[in-house]
Amino acid sequence: NAGVTQTPKFQVLKTGQSMTLQCAQDMNHEYMSWYRQDPGMGLRLIHYSVGAGITDQGEVPNGYNVSRSTTEDFPLRLLSAAPSQTSVYFCASSPPWGGTGTYEQYFGPGTRLTVT
Amino acid sequence: DAKTTQPNSMESNEEEPVHLPCNHSTISGTDYIHWYRQLPSQGPEYVIHGLTSNVNNRMASLAIAEDRKSSTLILHRATLRDAAVYYCILRDYGQNFVFGPGTRLSVLP
Repeated sequence: NAGVTQTPKFQVLKTGQSMTLQCAQDMNHEYMSWYRQDPGMGLRLIHYSVGAGITDQGEVPNGYNVSRSTTEDFPLRLLSAAPSQTSVYFCASSPPWGGTGTYEQYFGPGTRLTVT
Repeated sequence: DAKTTQPNSMESNEEEPVHLPCNHSTISGTDYIHWYRQLPSQGPEYVIHGLTSNVNNRMASLAIAEDRKSSTLILHRATLRDAAVYYCILRDYGQNFVFGPGTRLSVLP
């Protein structure tokens, strides 16, 4: 299994540009999520999905869109990039949402985004 | 979401045991205690989790207080590769993981 993969690894955008960060997992996990991590801080949840066709907002959703058309893929779209979105973005997946709190999350390697 | 409190940073010598504390005084009966760590320039990785009883795996041990209001992650022999930020997280049914700032562990050779 490749686990959770993210592309690209690095990206530089100009203010106002849009782009999509890709995330894929091959573990047939129902739950997927996106986090951002600013320097010296913990991870903050942007959006999450409990299955194909179902998405919901996390703690910091403004400026981002998501969709989940397949179990495997969960892309994150930046609509109009701003310098405040400079961060490292992590995608994660875990087994079914509806279980106990026992399930662990698997994280991708991250995408380092700089907006100038 | 129940909150956790961890020290900002800790230091350990290589090959010595490390005890990383976590306080969670508002934990509910169905909250699982999870520990993750984040090595430099990598995504977080799972370390261990438990509910009430102490747990051991190949990476670490988790000691849970009898009243569940605190827990301790134990690394039995720290190596340089264990230098990371360690996150203590509570997670219940149908909840997202909420990451705090964690404890930055430095391991001295």
